[in-house]
Amino acid sequence: AQSVAQPEDQVNVAEGNPLTVKCTYSVSGNPYLFWYVQYPNRGLQFLLKYITGDNLVKGSYGFEAEFNKSQTSFHLKKPSALVSDSALYFCAVRLYSSASKIIFGSGTRLSIRP
Amino acid sequence: EAGVAQSPRYKIIEKRQSVAFWCNPISGHATLYWYQQILGQGPKLLIQFQNNGVVDDSQLPKDRFSAERLKGVDSTLKIQPAKLEDSAVYLCASSPAGAGNTEAFFGQGTRLTVV
Repeated sequence: AQSVAQPEDQVNVAEGNPLTVKCTYSVSGNPYLFWYVQYPNRGLQFLLKYITGDNLVKGSYGFEAEFNKSQTSFHLKKPSALVSDSALYFCAVRLYSSASKIIFGSGTRLSIRP
Repeated sequence: EAGVAQSPRYKIIEKRQSVAFWCNPISGHATLYWYQQILGQGPKLLIQFQNNGVVDDSQLPKDRFSAERLKGVDSTLKIQPAKLEDSAVYLCASSPAGAGNTEAFFGQGTRLTVV
């Protein structure tokens, strides 16, 4: 069965510092992996995805994520955090099929202090 | 292109009443999803349609929840009767079919409060 774990409920970072939001996954086949962001009273907004190829993928707003097959991880990173990055972040996984369901993690609240 | 449209944005009902939510996906998207997001949790898939057929409804509480996607376009999700624990945000999403079309695009959601 597919599953996604986000081990940190909250991550606190000072503005200008690098940030990392952790995600590990469990699937029985090849995964598609995603990061979404959710601002208050809004739906989920797609940030980036890994399908195949280069393990480092770049997305919106300067975010990137690194796929590590041996550690089954897909951590979200940004070299320099902004206060406006404060939001709820979700990692998600689906099997290597556009018809399979997308499973979400429990979310990590990112708080950037000025 | 226009995004996923959902209505209403907010709904307050009493327990045991019924409620319906509507979703219009992005034009041409074959796959439509309904997710339930309880406060403090990640979205949980309730039902997934491919065109007008159900792909996955394993987590849909079928004794009280129902969903349909007539003509393979827009969709409605109904709860009858509602319980207090149904209070959540109901998110609709859609994605195109085909290899490489992997991510889902979400609407703004409907916040349901059952009192």
